[in-house]
Amino acid sequence: DAGITQSPRHKVTETGTPVTLRCHQTENHRYMYWYRQDPGHGLRLIHYSYGVKDTDKGEVSDGYSVSRSKTEDFLLTLESATSSQTSVYFCAIKGQATYEQYFGPGTRLTVT
Amino acid sequence: AQSVTQPDIHITVSEGASLELRCNYSYGATPYLFWYVQSPGQGLQLLLKYFSGDTLVQGIKGFEAEFKRSQSSFNLRKPSVHWSDAAEYFCAVGSLNNNDMRFGAGTRLTVKP
Repeated sequence: DAGITQSPRHKVTETGTPVTLRCHQTENHRYMYWYRQDPGHGLRLIHYSYGVKDTDKGEVSDGYSVSRSKTEDFLLTLESATSSQTSVYFCAIKGQATYEQYFGPGTRLTVT
Repeated sequence: AQSVTQPDIHITVSEGASLELRCNYSYGATPYLFWYVQSPGQGLQLLLKYFSGDTLVQGIKGFEAEFKRSQSSFNLRKPSVHWSDAAEYFCAVGSLNNNDMRFGAGTRLTVKP
């Protein structure tokens, strides 16, 4: 157990509304990641963070922003949600001395 | 950029039969390779990983995988499948800093009684 929680676990929102998803970790990992999972695509990286206030874009970053003001929290924001952002969102951390990533339980987001 | 192909979208095997899930990767340098498993409604759990050394790696739940550089493959195997192995399996490839890990589209495993 990598001590990762995500909130909310489920959310339904309307097109055009802002949405923020939260990832919280308890083990002081430096690296944190946000992915989205869609059928036929596996997981795709949205953004990642390599420290407080240090973030970078991933493969599918358009329409998303992130913030990390504390080591333990990594926020993903959809400024104006669209139906194409309906997906399952996973947060992950990278182990301190290894290279594998460990995943949270996911957030299912539906944009109507 | 690295990429991963899992040629089989869905595989059905009988309980007790052997299993092999295929994974092919594209990466210019030495790849770091992973297999994850996802049960319905759950997050991803790491099954095993390959960084270097012995090309046959052992993982949890009785799974193993073999790295074949000449074939750019990292196939997952299990000698005898259990009903609880029914899940979706993802192969992934990363680099040294692993900040852009790429996943395959996944293979869904169904286990027949």
